[in-house]
Amino acid sequence: QVQLVQSGAEVKKPGASVKVSCKASGYTFPSYDINWVRQATGQGLEWMGWMNPNSGNTGYAQKFQGRVTMTRDTSINTAYMELSSLRSEDTAVYYCARGLGYYDSSGHYTVLPFEVWGQGTMVSVSS
Amino acid sequence: EIVLTQSPGTLSLSPGERATLSCRASQSVSRTYLAWYQQKPGQAPRLLIYGASSRATGVPDRFSGSASGTDFTLTISGLEPEDFAVYYCQHYNDSPLTFGGGTRVEIK
Repeated sequence: QVQLVQSGAEVKKPGASVKVSCKASGYTFPSYDINWVRQATGQGLEWMGWMNPNSGNTGYAQKFQGRVTMTRDTSINTAYMELSSLRSEDTAVYYCARGLGYYDSSGHYTVLPFEVWGQGTMVSVSS
Repeated sequence: EIVLTQSPGTLSLSPGERATLSCRASQSVSRTYLAWYQQKPGQAPRLLIYGASSRATGVPDRFSGSASGTDFTLTISGLEPEDFAVYYCQHYNDSPLTFGGGTRVEIK
């Protein structure tokens, strides 16, 4: 079945970086954008940005520009989100989600909602 | 940036009652790109409604969505025990994509 499986929980010190992975299965990985969304404990959902696995093109929310990098390895159907210069406010659950852009075999582009989500990765930042 | 304001923050209802959740956009949002998600504790969000009124695969028909201008509504026609959760609206076209602050539907 279609699923996204994320890497395990991380504990980091302020100033460090974290890299979270998101492995896709059950569908054509390059055809769908991957997004990253985070959620602090008891708070709402915050979109961080998107990546197209085929081209590697990315788009980041302004808040995270300069601190976030989204990449992929198409040989293993895996997307990555790296966040640097971590601070305590970055403590949150980070989700990957399939959605936004879909490119069919003809190259036709469709905008989709976030239909598939990873299980989430807890990132804790503490000294 | 499009700001989505959800109301009420919390809705206290009994099973079987009708729930009406509101999502107001700060500027024009194409109804084509408005979604609703349900989130239960410890779980990832789940897509319920897309295109303002289309149900995602497997979503019961007690869930419905509607739109009027910049106002979007999610209605649950008769609450089942598994519907008590937090609901978020989202627009998913223009960057930055944004979510509303959420409405918690709790058991009265």
